[in-house]
Amino acid sequence: QQPVQSPQAVILREGEDAVINCSSSKALYSVHWYRQKHGEAPVFLMILLKGGEQKGHEKISASFNEKKQQSSLYLTASQLSYSGTYFCGTERAGSARQLTFGSGTQLTVLP
Amino acid sequence: DAGVIQSPRHEVTEMGQEVTLRCKPISGHDYLFWYRQTMMRGLELLIYFNNNVPIDDSGMPEDRFPAKMPNASFSTLKIQPSEPRDSAVYFCATASGSPNQPQHFGDGTRLSIL
Repeated sequence: QQPVQSPQAVILREGEDAVINCSSSKALYSVHWYRQKHGEAPVFLMILLKGGEQKGHEKISASFNEKKQQSSLYLTASQLSYSGTYFCGTERAGSARQLTFGSGTQLTVLP
Repeated sequence: DAGVIQSPRHEVTEMGQEVTLRCKPISGHDYLFWYRQTMMRGLELLIYFNNNVPIDDSGMPEDRFPAKMPNASFSTLKIQPSEPRDSAVYFCATASGSPNQPQHFGDGTRLSIL
């Protein structure tokens, strides 16, 4: 079953912060976050493997609440280059690296 | 590392024709995934292989989409016969067997069926 992402779209000014949420009804082993720019392939951002673990990538970080099967992606002091569609991919235990992707969150950063 | 290589990048063909999409995985990656992306349905997993063996093809829409992986260096996804509703971007992604490693996507094939 597809994870639910929210919001569907968000518009920011450069320097503002944003949070993108990903929620699953199934028990998860890991959550993967990708960013896709128009006409390009999804690009890997980070993997969250353990409950409550928070990882960082430049000014982008994420958390994973294993008990609630929820993950959040935090973008701080957004830059123009952050614009794109963000996807979470969820991996269930025993699913042999198979990911189910959410419908995506379209992020637009304006100058 | 050359990354995942897909060909062709673009394909335009008429309904009823056979289409062949190709993927060369990253060397050493044990898993290969075929995805289809459309505005309406998002990013859907069609089929994936582990060590050249198909593991799950439950995402395949119908029998018109035979996928093969004859060796560790090559996979094909065919559409035969093609229909306008097959128009989409098809991505191939590969991954190692390690749980903390991501899937790496190829640049995709943008397919238009007229």
